[in-house]
Amino acid sequence: DVVLTQSPATLSVTPGERISLSCRASESVDTYLHWYQQKPNESPRLLIKYASQSISGIPSRFSGSGSGTDFTLSINGVELEDLSIYYCQQGNSLPFTFGSGTKLEIK
Amino acid sequence: QVQLKESGPGLVQPSRTLSLTCTVSGFSLTSYGVSWVRQPPGKGLEWIAAIWSGGSTDYNSALKSRLSISRDTSKSQVLLKMNSLQTEDTAMYFCARLRRHYYVMDAWGQGASVTVSS
Repeated sequence: DVVLTQSPATLSVTPGERISLSCRASESVDTYLHWYQQKPNESPRLLIKYASQSISGIPSRFSGSGSGTDFTLSINGVELEDLSIYYCQQGNSLPFTFGSGTKLEIK
Repeated sequence: QVQLKESGPGLVQPSRTLSLTCTVSGFSLTSYGVSWVRQPPGKGLEWIAAIWSGGSTDYNSALKSRLSISRDTSKSQVLLKMNSLQTEDTAMYFCARLRRHYYVMDAWGQGASVTVSS
């Protein structure tokens, strides 16, 4: 199974900051890497697909990059509403797997 | 508008079988797949199973012997059965629309809470 390692586990941020979250795969997943946002007591929401493709309705401050084994989710100007847990997921091979998540907190 | 809604028993006794239903609207099960994903309390996401638009199925190998996923296209429903439940199966169970292109889950239900307890 492909193991996805997300770092950091927790990130304390100041509103307005530009931040980057990392997702590293144990083997190449090409660009079949997707990012989800999960707010407390809600279901996950797709943020970025195929490593860098934007999703309709998602604010433009969210962007993704990477290929192979190293991926980054960036938030350009964090807002209070972004306080969530962010998960990466690979769709390159079965079983689909998720990273353990990065929790965004306000400093 | 794409919607998915999970339904289930809430509480299940250990060793019994769990049956969950995902009812979808706004898209056809013959055009999109559906995945089940679970999340134990305070923990991360685990992919469980998928049924594709053509009706073929895939399972998480760690759980495969206990799982069955099927669908009723006339009712726009996907059914998940898991047998021999244990307390560690206590979780929120989500269904999600699955696109074969990119293998991405692009719409999710609200989740069904399942507690395994006697």
